[in-house]
Amino acid sequence: KAGVTQTPRYLIKTRGQQVTLSCSPISGHRSVSWYQQTPGQGLQFLFEYFSETQRNKGNFPGRFSGRQFSNSRSEMNVSTLELGDSALYLCASSETPGGLAPLHFGNGTRLTVT
Amino acid sequence: GENVEQHPSTLSVQEGDSAVIKCTYSDSASNYFPWYKQELGKRPQLIIDIRSNVGEKKDQRIAVTLNKTAKHFSLHITETQPEDSAVYFCAALTGGGNKLTFGTGTQLKVEL
Repeated sequence: KAGVTQTPRYLIKTRGQQVTLSCSPISGHRSVSWYQQTPGQGLQFLFEYFSETQRNKGNFPGRFSGRQFSNSRSEMNVSTLELGDSALYLCASSETPGGLAPLHFGNGTRLTVT
Repeated sequence: GENVEQHPSTLSVQEGDSAVIKCTYSDSASNYFPWYKQELGKRPQLIIDIRSNVGEKKDQRIAVTLNKTAKHFSLHITETQPEDSAVYFCAALTGGGNKLTFGTGTQLKVEL
């Protein structure tokens, strides 16, 4: 099976712009979670989607949003970018939601905000 | 709120020595504790996990122990090898069993 695919791999944006990141899960996985990875902060949970519904959301401002399509692909959007949004954004898919099933991570999208 | 603290942030050991990484969690309802390994430039991958009804679990050179009373769990790597060099993340299932909360990571370096 193909692994989790994230596009694009790298993004450079300017403050105030918005950005959309894409994640294609492993075939058959219906749960997709998003994490922000920064040095010293580890992996911070953004949100989880299952069957096109957001199941859970982390402590991020409303500028961070996401959605999931009927084929389980997911997108994450960040509006009004700030310098502090620079990070590696990882998505992970799993067979079932809620964290008990192993997470299969993608390679991430490296976002740089200037 | 849910919190997972991980120590140390960096750990350097000689090849063949043991390495121990410790995590504490705040949500007493947490019942699942996985460990992920992230090699440089690669994606995190699950290496071992433990559920709250078990005190210890081993898989070859790695083991995880859980102390529910003290709310802490540890990763033990014996006979370390250069390929063990990576960032290790602990996590706990929190929020009523709804999401994984990760620690801040430990950079392990195994020196020859």
